[in-house]
Amino acid sequence: DAKTTQPPSMDCAEGRAANLPCNHSTISGNEYVYWYRQIHSQGPQYIIHGLKNNETNEMASLIITEDRKSSTLILPHATLRDTAVYYCIVRAPDNQGGKLIFGQGTELSVKP
Amino acid sequence: NAGVMQNPRHLVRRRGQEARLRCSPMKGHSHVYWYRQLPEEGLKFMVYLQKENIIDESGMPKERFSAEFPKEGPSILRIQQVVRGDSAAYFCASSLREKLFFGSGTQLSVL
Repeated sequence: DAKTTQPPSMDCAEGRAANLPCNHSTISGNEYVYWYRQIHSQGPQYIIHGLKNNETNEMASLIITEDRKSSTLILPHATLRDTAVYYCIVRAPDNQGGKLIFGQGTELSVKP
Repeated sequence: NAGVMQNPRHLVRRRGQEARLRCSPMKGHSHVYWYRQLPEEGLKFMVYLQKENIIDESGMPKERFSAEFPKEGPSILRIQQVVRGDSAAYFCASSLREKLFFGSGTQLSVL
């Protein structure tokens, strides 16, 4: 079973920041937080991941709380092409299984 | 660097036939994962393989399904005697260390 809880859906206005929350209260010390998204029927796309520090890349920022029990994915300037299902996933390191267990995700709708 | 390649993109089979789905991981990646997505549902883990080894097959149905990742060549997901309930999108992912990258999937339709 997925170890994360996300709201089923969210709306965001085009050009505004999209903040997607995720709860992972049972995360273990060596487990990473990953974010993927799936646009329509395409393969999931990697967005970002982190262990305990905040992370930023060209797509998004990941804010992890100090106790690591929750995190937020931030898309700074959402576009219509960001409409997708966003998955927050807790993953063990490769040498301990490393598989991704997908939950139901958050369906983000970016509106003009 | 080419991404994860899956073929065929679409596969149509009649009930009772065999389906073979292929996955070529990204160059240098030695870990392969298979996932299944039923219509209107989320992605479900099936199996995790390294070269010539099955590491975790906890998500594989007990019968009719098998997977391999030989020393040379692509990973193969094989479904014998397909039934209508096998109709789904099958995604493969490969990884090297921390990131998993997914292919575009194979859409299996069983008539």
